[in-house]
This record gives sequence, structure tokens and C-alpha cells, in this order.
Amino acid sequence: NAGVTQTPKFQVLKTGQSMTLQCAQDMNHEYMSWYRQDPGMGLRLIHYSVGAGITDQGEVPNGYNVSRSTTEDFPLRLLSAAPSQTSVYFCASRDRGRRSNYGYTFGSGTRLTVV
Amino acid sequence: GDSVTQMEGPVTLSEEAFLTINCTYTATGYPSLFWYVQYPGEGLQLLLKATKADDKGSNKGFEATYRKETTSFHLEKGSVQVSDSAVYFCALSDGNAGKSTFGDGTTLTVKP
Repeated sequence: NAGVTQTPKFQVLKTGQSMTLQCAQDMNHEYMSWYRQDPGMGLRLIHYSVGAGITDQGEVPNGYNVSRSTTEDFPLRLLSAAPSQTSVYFCASRDRGRRSNYGYTFGSGTRLTVV
Repeated sequence: GDSVTQMEGPVTLSEEAFLTINCTYTATGYPSLFWYVQYPGEGLQLLLKATKADDKGSNKGFEATYRKETTSFHLEKGSVQVSDSAVYFCALSDGNAGKSTFGDGTTLTVKP
């Protein structure tokens, strides 16, 4: 099925561990973004990309790295996990052009707990 | 920078009641406006959109009109159902910037 695929769906990490959250889309969307969702704080943008090889920081980038080597994949790396990074992480993508009127397609999320 | 302010929740309604969730925005350009819905345990889904002033977006009985003069995009539904219980997010997108700004979300619970 076409869409945005996130893996894993659940993860528990110990403080200081590193890991990569995977995100892949098969819609040939140029724009991709990572958000975190915390209770009472809505969605906060971590990093985003407007195309392969191009990334930029969002509202809360500290502690996270991204890369965009292909159009399809946009992994999010946690360098040294901290309890403050316990959250639900969403990857989203959208077309660049006006055909999609800029609406995002979201993945189903990764629920991360850092202990 | 861009911002979106949503009506605070939670909102609790009886089935068949009228729903309004307020949303106002601040943006420097001419953004597109969206409402997304999130059901428990799932990601966000695009509910409706409007891309220019006075446009009305509609889907599944929900409507919202892009009001540039009041910088608003309020979500309405004439008769809610239990199945509409979810979190609703208002968002704007500046197409040239490559990113979207979301409100904090409003939780709607509809009771039978």
C-alpha cells in the first residue's frame, strides 16, 4: 500500500543509547518531515527536508540528526537518548507541487520510551 | 514566524450536537490551511483543506472556510457522531518553506 512506513512501532531505550527511527515513503514526495508529539504540546517539528541531500532544522532539533540520501528514505537518529526524548515520533511527507495542495501524509508513528 | 492557535479542549458533546472548533493563524505569506484528525493510536489523517481566501473545505460532514480578513479557519459539523471522537489539529503550510505549522490539537469526545 502506498504511504509512509515507520519502523519500529515501539521501542524502549536506556539513557545514553543511540538508535535510528526509520521512515520510508513510496509516493515520490520531495518534502519529508519528522515531528514529535507530547501530551498538551501538539506536534513539534524536529527536522525536515525539501529533497534528497537537503535537510534543515525545525523547532526542536537538539539531540537528533537526519540525512536524506534518497527521495524515499528519511531516517531520524537519536545520538544519546535521554528521558526527555520519550515521545511519539511521526514522519510525514508531501508533494512539492500544487497538485497536492501541500497536505501531508503521515506514518503511524513510533512510540519511544527512554528509561 | 507562522503560528496556529486552536480552541483549547477537551470538548465533550452529545451525539447529534453541533460542533465548532476555533482556529486562528498568523502567517506572513498566503498559506494553505488544513484540518487533520487523529484517532487513538494512529497517525494524523488529512480531513480537509483550503488553499485560498474564501475557499471552503469539506469532508465527511465537516466544513471549514478560509477567512483571510479574520485569519481564521474554524471547523464545523452539524451533527456529530460517537465515531467522530478524536483529536483535531489545525495546520498551515507555506508551500515555499517546505514545512507546516500545527496547532496544539483539540480533543473531542462524543457521548451517546
